[in-house]
Amino acid sequence: DIVMTQSPATLSVSPGDRASLSCRASQSVRGNLAWYQQKPGQAPRLLIYGAYGAATRATGVPARFSGSGSGTEFTLTISSLQSEDFAVYYCQQYDNWPPLTFGGGTKVEIK
Amino acid sequence: EVQLVESGGGLVQPGGSLRLSCTASRLTFSSYWMSWVRQAPGKGLEWVANIKQDASEKYYVDSVKGRFTISRDNAKNSLYLQMNNLRAEDTAVYYCATGGYYWPFEYWGQGTLVTVSS
Repeated sequence: DIVMTQSPATLSVSPGDRASLSCRASQSVRGNLAWYQQKPGQAPRLLIYGAYGAATRATGVPARFSGSGSGTEFTLTISSLQSEDFAVYYCQQYDNWPPLTFGGGTKVEIK
Repeated sequence: EVQLVESGGGLVQPGGSLRLSCTASRLTFSSYWMSWVRQAPGKGLEWVANIKQDASEKYYVDSVKGRFTISRDNAKNSLYLQMNNLRAEDTAVYYCATGGYYWPFEYWGQGTLVTVSS
């Protein structure tokens, strides 16, 4: 099974700051990596998928969200954090399965 | 707007059974691989199972193999998860989602809570 490791577990950021979230795969997942946002009491929401330097934002996702990386190292960047961006973020690989696997999540909280 | 609505969750004793349903609207249900993803209280996301458009392929996470069965009825735009021999560790919110075959989970339902406890 491919193990997805996210870091840090918690990221304290001030509104307007830039945030970088990391996701590492235990073996290459090529560009088959997605990022999700989850707010309390809500279902996850697809943000970004694919990679190879040209990750695609899902419909309606603001341009301040971007994804990069390939192989085993991936990054989700939020260029200028807005109040609605404070949430938990998960990465997920869909390259080598079953099982499809998620990272443990990074909580982005207000500093 | 695409809508996925789960139902069928509830409180069940260990060893018991439950059948979850997910009804889709405003999408061509028969064109999508479909998945179940669960989230234990306060924990992360775990993929449970997925099913091909024509139900000819089904895959499960090891922890539910032999106990859970995924199925679908394209005529009713519905996805199901039959859960037997439930254990305390199956307690979670269960989400249905589109995707799961070399594609991310694009659309999600709101989830249904399954609690396994005596």
